[in-house]
Amino acid sequence: KQEVTQIPAALSVPEGENLVLNCSFTDSAIYNLQWFRQDPGKGLTSLLLIQSSQREQTSGRLNASLDKSSGRSTLYIAASQPGDSATYLCAVRTNDMRFGAGTRLTVKP
Amino acid sequence: DVKVTQSSRYLVKRTGEKVFLECVQDMDHENMFWYRQDPGLGLRLIYFSYDVKMKEKGDIPEGYSVSREKKERFSLILESASTNQTSMYLCASSLLGHLYEQYFGPGTRLTVT
Repeated sequence: KQEVTQIPAALSVPEGENLVLNCSFTDSAIYNLQWFRQDPGKGLTSLLLIQSSQREQTSGRLNASLDKSSGRSTLYIAASQPGDSATYLCAVRTNDMRFGAGTRLTVKP
Repeated sequence: DVKVTQSSRYLVKRTGEKVFLECVQDMDHENMFWYRQDPGLGLRLIYFSYDVKMKEKGDIPEGYSVSREKKERFSLILESASTNQTSMYLCASSLLGHLYEQYFGPGTRLTVT
């Protein structure tokens, strides 16, 4: 059974800092990996989807990488802003979709 | 833009009540999903459906049932609500197949007292 782990569980950084969120998974036979953002009490917003054949995807200040062989993905956020404060979840698609527990990010002004 | 809507943002029900949570998507997606999200446990799949009238159990189907009579609508039913079903419920949809991303609704926070 696929296990998805996100470390750290919480992260606090000053505004303007570049940061990396980590996601690891145990079964490398994945179809894709998706990063989501969740604001408190709200649903999930899709940020980036990386297919298994891809190495990375970029959207604005966000860059997600995928290393299937090592079972890792990173989400890089450049020049962080207070509005980036949220919980970030990764989800891995095999025959079903498995979610990590998320990293709660706080960007301090 | 894909839009997934859920009938209620907040719901408070009593133990033993029958509860209906509705989800509607407007992008003609074949797949629809119901998850619950609990602190420390992440999202867990309750049921999913890949077509009208089709359903498959997820990881935690006990105490729940679903209905999909129309392609755009997927309902989650708690036959007899219990306090351990207090949770955030999230609906999602996607195109058929493994390559497509899931789109989520805003969630329903259900409290069972």
